[in-house]
Amino acid sequence: ELKVEQNPLFLSMQEKKNYTIYCNYSTTSDRLYWYRQDPGKSLESLFVLLSNGAVKQEGRLMASLDTKARLSTLHITAAVHDLSATYFCAVDEYNAGKSTFGDGTTLTVKP
Amino acid sequence: DAGVTQSPTHLIKTRGQQVTLRCSPKSGHDTVSWYQQALGQGPQFIFQYYEEEERQRGNFPDRFSGHQFPNYSSELNVNALLLGDSALYLCASSKWLDTEAFFGQGTRLTVV
Repeated sequence: ELKVEQNPLFLSMQEKKNYTIYCNYSTTSDRLYWYRQDPGKSLESLFVLLSNGAVKQEGRLMASLDTKARLSTLHITAAVHDLSATYFCAVDEYNAGKSTFGDGTTLTVKP
Repeated sequence: DAGVTQSPTHLIKTRGQQVTLRCSPKSGHDTVSWYQQALGQGPQFIFQYYEEEERQRGNFPDRFSGHQFPNYSSELNVNALLLGDSALYLCASSKWLDTEAFFGQGTRLTVV
C-alpha cells in the first residue's frame, strides 16, 4: 500500500523567511503533485512533477522531485501572508485521478 | 470553460438516509475520480470511472457506489449514511492516463 508522509504538519513562519516542506512516499512512482487548499475550499494544483530531478518554480514556491530517494520538497522563499494555506503532496501509482495524498502541511505566515 | 462542477455545494442528511452527489467534468475530459476529505485530513480516493465503468476503487465499503453517464458526468451514491460519512466530497476530472487532474469545488456533506 502506497503511503505518503509530509512534514512538518504545521508550520508557522515569519514573513520574508525561507522554509521547506518535505514529502516522502513509500513505493516507486514518477508522478507527484503539489496542491494548495484554502479553508473550506477545493484543491488548487500548484505543480506536477513527472521525472527524477524535476524542478518547477512559480513565484515564491519551488518544488523538486527525487524519485530515487522517494522524496519531494516544496521550498518557500521570502514568505508572505498570502501563502498561508494547507499544502498537500499526492502521488500516483498508475495514472492521474487515483492519487494518494499526504496529511497536508498547514502553513501560517505571520508578520 | 466552466471547469469541473459539482452539485450540490452543501447537503445535510440524517443517519440511514441515502445521498447522490453529482459531477460534471472539465470539457474534453473523460475520466472522473471521487475523493472523500474528512476534516483536517488529506483526500482519500473512493473510485474512478472511465468509459462508464468503475476502473479503480479505494478502501471504501459497498455503501459507496457510482455511475458515469455517456456525457462523462458522474454520480456518487452513498447508502445507509453514517455520522462518519460527514466530509467534503471532491470530484476530479482528467483525460484517461493523462498526468493531471482538475478538482471541483466539492460538496460538503453533513450527516446528523
